[in-house]
This record gives sequence, structure tokens and C-alpha cells, in this order.
Amino acid sequence: GENVEQHPSTLSVQEGDSAVIKCTYSDSASNYFPWYKQELGKRPQLIIDIRSNVGEKKDQRIAVTLNKTAKHFSLHITETQPEDSAVYFCAGTRKAAGNKLTFGGGTRVLVKP
Amino acid sequence: DTEVTQTPKHLVMGMTNKKSLKCEQHMGHRAMYWYKQKAKKPPELMFVYSYEKLSINESVPSRFSPECPNSSLLNLHLHALQPEDSALYLCASSPPTVSGNTIYFGEGSWLTVV
Repeated sequence: GENVEQHPSTLSVQEGDSAVIKCTYSDSASNYFPWYKQELGKRPQLIIDIRSNVGEKKDQRIAVTLNKTAKHFSLHITETQPEDSAVYFCAGTRKAAGNKLTFGGGTRVLVKP
Repeated sequence: DTEVTQTPKHLVMGMTNKKSLKCEQHMGHRAMYWYKQKAKKPPELMFVYSYEKLSINESVPSRFSPECPNSSLLNLHLHALQPEDSALYLCASSPPTVSGNTIYFGEGSWLTVV
């Protein structure tokens, strides 16, 4: 089955700086990669996703890049703000996996004002 | 609207109790899920229902019993739980797509087993 590894496990950045989280996956057939943000005590919320036919996707200060050859994808947050502080989870899946997402271990991001 | 509604928000139950968690969505999604999340860990898949049929059971103990009465509702029946079952239980749903499924989570039910 799929295995997704996420690094780093914690990330502390100064407000205004950029943050980058990297994930690697094992199943070359995986074709959908969402990113979730989870604030303390709240639900995971989808913030951006990318499918395998696209190399990069951007939404305001958030971007995701996918390298299918190397089997890794990354989340980039620019101009970080205190409200970006949360745990971020990457995930991967493929249709044949029967709607099963495999999550990375999570990255706790702290944006210091 | 990407709303998945879960009740109750908080539940405390004894190890001999029987209780249920409920989930509802009105987005026309045909896949519904139960996840369990422990502190500082990613969500862990328990069950998947696809078109109201159980399609995935991740070897969950029988003290957890899922039920999908119709395409909008999903229940999780709880019986004889252990303290280690205390966690955040997340319901989720997703539309059918050609490749990959965007999963939307509910607010969760915080379960404490005493």
C-alpha cells in the first residue's frame, strides 16, 4: 500500500518569511495529493490539492508542487502570518485505492510575530 | 456548501455504555467515512461507505459498528469501548470523481471513555 512521509515534523518561522513542507510517497500510481490544515481543536480543512497531471498549483499565498519522477510534493506558504500557525497534513491516494487517503505524519507550523 | 455535520460534539461514556455518533451531509456526496484521530497524529481511516455500501473496514474492532441508513446519513455505534478508544472521531464525505477524491471533514465528535 501507499506510504507517505512528511518533513519536517515541526517548523518555526518568523512572520513574513516562507514555509516549505515536503512529502514523499511510495506508490507511483498515486494521482491525487491534498493538503489539510488543522488548527488546535478543529477539523482538518482542505487548503489546496494537486492531481498528477499538473506540476504546480497556486492559490494566493499557498502553492503546491509535484515531482512525479521523484515521487515527492511540497507545500509552500509565502508571507506567513500568525493565523498560518497550525498542523499541516499531506496525503496521497489513487482511485483504485477505494477512496482511501494515506496521510503523512503532520507538520506543526509556528509563525512567530 | 461543504458542510458535514456531526453530533454530538462531545460524548463521555462508560465502558459498559452503548452510544452512537451521527453524521449528516446534504452535498450529494456518495462516499462517507469515519476517521479516528488521536492527539498529535494524522486521521486514521476506520470505515468507508461508497453508495451506501461498506467498501473498506480497516480491521476495526467489532465494538465499533458503522451504519449508513441512506446516502446522507452515517452512524457509528459504540459498545463496550476501552479508555484507549478516547479520541476525536471525524466523519467525512466526498463526491465521486474520475481520479482522486476531495474529502471534506466534519467538526468531529470528541469521545472520552471512562
